[in-house]
Amino acid sequence: QLVLTQSPSASASLGASVKLTCTLSSGHSTYTIAWHQQQPEKGPRYLMRLSSDGRHSNGDGIPDRFSGSSSGAERYLTISSLQSEDEADYYCQTWGTGIRVFGGGTKVTVL
Amino acid sequence: EVQLVESGGGLVQPGGSLRLSCAASGFTVSSNYMNWVRQAPGKGLEWVSVIYSGGSTYYADSVNGRFTISRDNSKNTLYLQMNSLRAEDTAVYYCARETGDGGYFDCWGQGTLVTVSS
Repeated sequence: QLVLTQSPSASASLGASVKLTCTLSSGHSTYTIAWHQQQPEKGPRYLMRLSSDGRHSNGDGIPDRFSGSSSGAERYLTISSLQSEDEADYYCQTWGTGIRVFGGGTKVTVL
Repeated sequence: EVQLVESGGGLVQPGGSLRLSCAASGFTVSSNYMNWVRQAPGKGLEWVSVIYSGGSTYYADSVNGRFTISRDNSKNTLYLQMNSLRAEDTAVYYCARETGDGGYFDCWGQGTLVTVSS
């Protein structure tokens, strides 16, 4: 079964970096994922796609402060130079034939 | 500019029906895979349904047999017909476009709220 697992929360200070993790279920370690951001009271926004070899491509208008990397079944989103507007929920997402899957989301708090 | 605008949400009684619309601009709905995703109050994102450019449709188990995804090419609009609604269907419903090179969503609407309650 295709499942994505995320930690519920993360925090870091203004101007620091934070690294979020999304773990693919067993047997799915080669899957490409996407990262999406959802700021409070807003709809989701696409951040980037991230492949198993760590290659990533940011969406239109997404700053380079947002980067992705991979290791085995783990997919990471690193936010550098944290800003107050980065306080949001972050979701990873992947797909198979006839199915799309979201992780449970990670709430990022900027201290 | 690529844009998705949902409408049609509202309050409906358990067992009732509702049809959501998602009007697209800046691209052609029928040339893309299009999805519905929902978010219950205080919860995470849940995928609901996809329609492929070729017309194939797929549903999450939670809505299979009750919801129907469709599109009107002349209106460049995506729909979600929701029947036999339950309290647990209460959520903000988003439409989302998939890219041409993978099943990930590169454009989202602003959402429409559906409340199922007596």
